[in-house]
Amino acid sequence: EVQLVESGGGLVQPGGSLRLSCAASGFTLSSYWMHWVRQDPGKGLVWVSNINGDGTYMSYADSVRGRFTISRDDAKNTLYLQMNSLRADDTAVYHCVRGTTAWKGIDYWGQGTLVTVSS
Amino acid sequence: DVVMTQTPLSSPVTLGQPASISCRSSQSLVHSDGQTYLSWLHQRPGQPPRLLIYKISNRFSGVPDRFSGSGAGTDFTLRISRVEAEDVGVYYCVQATQHPQTFGQGTKVEIK
Repeated sequence: EVQLVESGGGLVQPGGSLRLSCAASGFTLSSYWMHWVRQDPGKGLVWVSNINGDGTYMSYADSVRGRFTISRDDAKNTLYLQMNSLRADDTAVYHCVRGTTAWKGIDYWGQGTLVTVSS
Repeated sequence: DVVMTQTPLSSPVTLGQPASISCRSSQSLVHSDGQTYLSWLHQRPGQPPRLLIYKISNRFSGVPDRFSGSGAGTDFTLRISRVEAEDVGVYYCVQATQHPQTFGQGTKVEIK
């Protein structure tokens, strides 16, 4: 059974940093593209970043480029999102999402971890 | 970025009756490989989204056959043939044809 479990969210002041983790089980992380998608009540679902199977290609939404860094540790079957220079509008639930292999898209979602940026 | 627009934003439905949700994209979702990467997601309260339909009309693993998808180009529809209580929640369309993938704003389905 595919499972994605995020952790690392919390309350942080503007300008601060957090590192989110996503522990994957039921599949081999290195065989899949992986994504971070955030969800907030005001803006709905927004794609944040992705990384390819061997970790050689990463891309970011314009709103986070230069502040966030996606990475993966295949030995631990874990995906990460390092978030620096956090702003109030980064407040959201961050979901780890698996990319599909048979077609372009996404399939399994993690429950998400809440990030709140506030002073 | 491709803008995805869903209608209606809210849909009160009667148990056992059909329901449909429309999704329109600001650009054609036909990829250069000839495929159309339009999916539908369902999110129950307190749960993460789950994949229902991919490539317009293909049901994902375990999805009941009362769910169906159709459409082409820029106009797509999700249909529920007979709504059940477990179908409440928010439905999203999402495109992966163009980078970055983008989502519709969501349609809330609730029981009358």
